[in-house]
Amino acid sequence: AQTVTQSQPEMSVQEAETVTLSCTYDTSESDYYLFWYKQPPSRQMILVIRQEAYKQQNATENRFSVNFQKAAKSFSLKISDSQLGDAAMYFCAYRITNFGNEKLTFGTGTRLTIIP
Amino acid sequence: EPEVTQTPSHQVTQMGQEVILRCVPISNHLYFYWYRQILGQKVEFLVSFYNNEISEKSEIFDDQFSVERPDGSNFTLKIRSTKLEDSAMYFCASIMGIAKNIQYFGAGTRLSVL
Repeated sequence: AQTVTQSQPEMSVQEAETVTLSCTYDTSESDYYLFWYKQPPSRQMILVIRQEAYKQQNATENRFSVNFQKAAKSFSLKISDSQLGDAAMYFCAYRITNFGNEKLTFGTGTRLTIIP
Repeated sequence: EPEVTQTPSHQVTQMGQEVILRCVPISNHLYFYWYRQILGQKVEFLVSFYNNEISEKSEIFDDQFSVERPDGSNFTLKIRSTKLEDSAMYFCASIMGIAKNIQYFGAGTRLSVL
């Protein structure tokens, strides 16, 4: 079974600084997707960034980027120029690409606090 | 931007009562999901639904749970006889198709079982 591990239950960062959230996963599949979702206090799940396993290039979305290490099964999220609005729970998630098996498997989350 | 809509935002019920949680997925999406998040814990998959039938369900999704898409727009999760441990946030998600790999989530329904 696939598992996703987030070893940092809480992280904090000064506003405008950079922070990296860690995620590792375990799978025997070669083709899959990885995601970071943000859950602010409103508890809505918002997609931050995604990475296809077959792509070697790391995904970036504005201030958000990932460091995808397929051999190490590591998928960390880097947030640059942290803003107060980035404060939230961040969940790493995994999904295989087989037809009919589209479910997401989530990690336990990292609570990110932004210090003004 | 189209979004997944869930109602109600908060549902309070007595133990043993039936509840129906409603979701309106994005209109051209074909695959639908329910997830659950007990307070302070991770989001867990409950069930996926495609072509008017369940594609996959987790061990959490026992005989007390059912899903249906009664009218082509709504996607409902029914819990027949609620237990205290059913108290959680329930998220609906939808995806356009296999090649479109982003699941869009609704804002969730907080279910409180007393």
